[in-house]
Amino acid sequence: QQQVKQSPQSLIVQKGGISIINCAYENTAFDYFPWYQQFPGKGPALLIAIRPDVSEKKEGRFTISFNKSAKQFSLHIMDSQPGDSATYFCAATTGKLIFGQGTTLQVKP
Amino acid sequence: ETGVTQTPRHLVMGMTNKKSLKCEQHLGHNAMYWYKQSAKKPLELMFVYNFKEQTENNSVPSRFSPECPNSSHLFLHLHTLQPEDSALYLCASSQAASYNSPLHFGNGTRLTVT
Repeated sequence: QQQVKQSPQSLIVQKGGISIINCAYENTAFDYFPWYQQFPGKGPALLIAIRPDVSEKKEGRFTISFNKSAKQFSLHIMDSQPGDSATYFCAATTGKLIFGQGTTLQVKP
Repeated sequence: ETGVTQTPRHLVMGMTNKKSLKCEQHLGHNAMYWYKQSAKKPLELMFVYNFKEQTENNSVPSRFSPECPNSSHLFLHLHTLQPEDSALYLCASSQAASYNSPLHFGNGTRLTVT
């Protein structure tokens, strides 16, 4: 299976809260998992990425948690800010990048 | 200019028209891509070019015809499109056509087929 299933489709969080977006995959050959962030009217941009040999990667307020046995990975945005409001795409690859359906995040002031 | 530039930003065309989308990257990358983005669907890879050579055609209908004259420029020629082809078309580039080489996207061309 080449799909990456992403949830939720949309998310509303209060400023200062934690935003959590989840992704699941079937293909155990996937070995690189990036997250892209897309603001309205802009193209996606790489936010953070992880390999399956680590369980967590943190960059500032953004953390990827990876559960290899469950074939799941998630993005946590700590202390969410209105400027984080965007669409987030998870992806997985072993050659061709397979994207999830996207999650639209709205952070309310 | 820096990054990946796409023109036009918006395009409305009839089903019998012929038009072209243009992409230019100023990053010195060797690989370029066309993606289709439709609402509530994953980004769909259409074509990949590596050092000007097409390395992937993801079963794209022949009404979409890519052209890559050099590593900095990529075109998507459109003809006899269907209304379901209306979408945001994104160009991207990367240093190499390898799986862990980050993609740098342009801001896309919003295409409406009437």
